[in-house]
Amino acid sequence: GENVEQHPSTLSVQEGDSAVIKCTYSDSASNYFPWYKQELGKRPQLIIDIRSNVGEKKDQRIAVTLNKTAKHFSLHITETQPEDSAVYFCASPTGGGNKLTFGTGTQLKVEL
Amino acid sequence: EAGVAQSPRYKIIEKRQSVAFWCNPISGHATLYWYQQILGQGPKLLIQFQNNGVVDDSQLPKDRFSAERLKGVDSTLKIQPAKLEDSAVYLCASRYGQGSSYEQYFGPGTRLTVT
Repeated sequence: GENVEQHPSTLSVQEGDSAVIKCTYSDSASNYFPWYKQELGKRPQLIIDIRSNVGEKKDQRIAVTLNKTAKHFSLHITETQPEDSAVYFCASPTGGGNKLTFGTGTQLKVEL
Repeated sequence: EAGVAQSPRYKIIEKRQSVAFWCNPISGHATLYWYQQILGQGPKLLIQFQNNGVVDDSQLPKDRFSAERLKGVDSTLKIQPAKLEDSAVYLCASRYGQGSSYEQYFGPGTRLTVT
């Protein structure tokens, strides 16, 4: 089955700094890579995703980059704010995109 | 658009007892998933339905877990008997299931504590 590794497990940054979280996957057929944000006690929510036909996608302060050759994709958050503090999960699909294997999560803390 | 609904939100039971969770997906979503999220970990897929049929239940502990989606809409997940290690948040998610839309929408989850 698909194996997804996510690093780092915890990340602490100062407000206004950038944060980068990286995931690697094993299934070369994977073609869809979402990132979910989960605040304490709440449901995971999709914040950005990327298809394998592009190398980068940006949405305001959030961007995702994909390197299919190396089989890794990264989440970039610029100008971090306290409300960015949460656990972030990457995921990679199997079964033709029908199901997702999630990474182990990154606890991001944005300090004032 | 109403989101994925789940109930109950919290449940505390003793080991060896039974428990059931309910999920109502977003209207029109053919694909429904149940995930188990243990504290500090990512969601782990237990079972996937397409309409009322099971697509994947390879990670469902079938000796104690069961799930159904009889009319292709609501779904229930049951644990009987529960073990201490079943303490987790059980998340239901749904997806449109057609075309190129892969996005899964999660419900608020049911937090289960087994004592």
